[in-house]
Amino acid sequence: DQQVKQNSPSLSVQEGRISILNCDYTNSMFDYFLWYKKYPAEGPTFLISISSIKDKNEDGRFTVFLNKSAKHLSLHIVPSQPGDSAVYFCAASGRDDKIIFGKGTRLHILP
Amino acid sequence: GAGVSQSPRYKVTKRGQDVTLRCDPISSHATLYWYQQALGQGPEFLTYFNYEAQPDKSGLPSDRFSAERPEGSISTLTIQRTEQRDSAMYRCASSLGWGAQDTQYFGPGTRLTVL
Repeated sequence: DQQVKQNSPSLSVQEGRISILNCDYTNSMFDYFLWYKKYPAEGPTFLISISSIKDKNEDGRFTVFLNKSAKHLSLHIVPSQPGDSAVYFCAASGRDDKIIFGKGTRLHILP
Repeated sequence: GAGVSQSPRYKVTKRGQDVTLRCDPISSHATLYWYQQALGQGPEFLTYFNYEAQPDKSGLPSDRFSAERPEGSISTLTIQRTEQRDSAMYRCASSLGWGAQDTQYFGPGTRLTVL
């Protein structure tokens, strides 16, 4: 039973436009959420996170939005750049601090 | 070291053989994690170490899986009597401390194929 769901296996976005990656979770005890980015043949790298006490966190071109009532978070990348093409993992943790990952969404930035 | 390294990068073995995977964490990092990542899935927690202590091994799928970190630095993950379902990418990560808010730095992984 997937506690962190990324329902879109892939997404294609034109360079310069906004990329929106979505993530849903089922465990209401999750209180910390993360996004990781992964290039081929490399391990995932931390991108941005958000605590459940916030509803938005911004870092440069990357913004994560959290909607606790809907158990939904999203990652916005604007403007999208070719180097953003990668797999993005949504992840969450709760009181036990273990990180639960989603299946990932492959983002393609089109020229 | 500069980052987390893992060896070997690829391992092909026959069913029933034992395999040992190695992880070199970032040298200052107290906490080391092992994850299993099946094709098309995200990493799944196996176990973690705080220095040489192993407080949680609840994610290990069976008693054929074991991990060690005897001196609180390098860690090994051993799978005994491998089965085809053990085929996966095995990822190691390390962090300065323990907790989801301590950034985990992942290694490139070891892709294990059991024939």
